Amino acid sequence: NAGVTQTPKFRVLKTGQSMTLLCAQDMNHEYMYWYRQDPGMGLRLIHYSVGEGTTAKGEVPDGYNVSRLKKQNFLLGLESAAPSQTSVYFCASSGDRGRSGQPQHFGDGTRLSIL
Amino acid sequence: SQQGEEDPQALSIQEGENATMNCSYKTSINNLQWYRQNSGRGLVHLILIRSNEREKHSGRLRVTLDTSKKSSSLLITASRAADTASYFCATSTQGGSEKLVFGKGTKLTVNP
Repeated sequence: NAGVTQTPKFRVLKTGQSMTLLCAQDMNHEYMYWYRQDPGMGLRLIHYSVGEGTTAKGEVPDGYNVSRLKKQNFLLGLESAAPSQTSVYFCASSGDRGRSGQPQHFGDGTRLSIL
Repeated sequence: SQQGEEDPQALSIQEGENATMNCSYKTSINNLQWYRQNSGRGLVHLILIRSNEREKHSGRLRVTLDTSKKSSSLLITASRAADTASYFCATSTQGGSEKLVFGKGTKLTVNP
């Protein structure tokens, strides 16, 4: 049972380059989330999705775009990477629509460095 | 913006001792959750307590919630070296979208 899988695990980019981070979940969860984790800052929500074909902004959405074309996948894109986007990115998913208060399941993160 | 704030930021104890971490938050919540993060890994859900509950237990974990003080505590009894990790509280302030707002975490070190 894979749970939440993030690819790639590590990446180094140059300023201005673009890339896409992929998140896949095999638990048939409705909700998916992208967070970034910086030292001393905890996790901050970038974007989230409440179902296939839907996306919404979180706390720190600027510089990122997302897509949820399939229920099991949630993609995070950086169109023009900046050094301030150096961080560890976590994807999470949670369960069924209409049931409140469910735990989120996390991937092991993508460590992204922008030079 | 951070909703939950954990205290202390770091805690070092000996194996077998109890560890207590506190979380304070600012606005009304639907539920509060605690997560553990081992170094280099993703977060793992530990326990969820709803706003109408005051205490919950799960194995060696005990969580309390005081909505009048907007605070929660996580107690780990008889700690083990394997409990060494960062612990985060997260609050849910609206239903439906199931968004969580995380605190900055408490780094727990359990010395053998």
